[in-house]
Amino acid sequence: GAVVSQHPSWVICKSGTSVKIECRSLDFQATTMFWYRQFPKQSLMLMATSNEGSKATYEQGVEKDKFLINHASLTLSTLTVTSAHPEDSSFYICSAADRETEAFFGQGTRLTVV
Amino acid sequence: AQKITQTQPGMFVQEKEAVTLDCTYDTSDQSYGLFWYKQPSSGEMIFLIYQGSYDEQNATEGRYSLNFQKARKSANLVISASQLGDSAMYFCAASYSNYQLIWGAGTKLIIKP
Repeated sequence: GAVVSQHPSWVICKSGTSVKIECRSLDFQATTMFWYRQFPKQSLMLMATSNEGSKATYEQGVEKDKFLINHASLTLSTLTVTSAHPEDSSFYICSAADRETEAFFGQGTRLTVV
Repeated sequence: AQKITQTQPGMFVQEKEAVTLDCTYDTSDQSYGLFWYKQPSSGEMIFLIYQGSYDEQNATEGRYSLNFQKARKSANLVISASQLGDSAMYFCAASYSNYQLIWGAGTKLIIKP
């Protein structure tokens, strides 16, 4: 199956700093990528839809100035958590679809803000 | 509103037994896709199985099968001959358009030796 690589898998940062998470589709072109956030013991929550070459579409309640998404190419989307605070600590997962039958996920990034 | 319901927050199953994880969906769309994903403690999401709304036969992938009952809007996952490595969170999801997925709350499955 297709491979989606997410990096880093785990990061600790200081409060007030910014963190960038990369999501790459390694063997297919993904015109659309999705960013999810998962709180402990809860289901995934869609944060935004990232389309190559255009602005991301954010879900209601997600601060677009805080969670910057860039989809510069057909194989790379980035999520930047700006001025991170402890409440931003979470598990972030990206996904990309090569066709409607499957959506491939990255390994996820566990962010801890101290 | 489109919604996915997984009524079992957690399940304990004896190793080698079969297990059924429930999933119901709510939509008026005619075309949709249904997915099951496994999330081990490491956090990554692992695709298990897919069922299209127009597929007449139930999807199967190895030990996984999807019991698709369209009239009841049900898409239960059946794992045959469970193994210790099957212990994980299992999520049911549906795709209606543009690949966005609507997720269920998940079921925590624990396989007992």
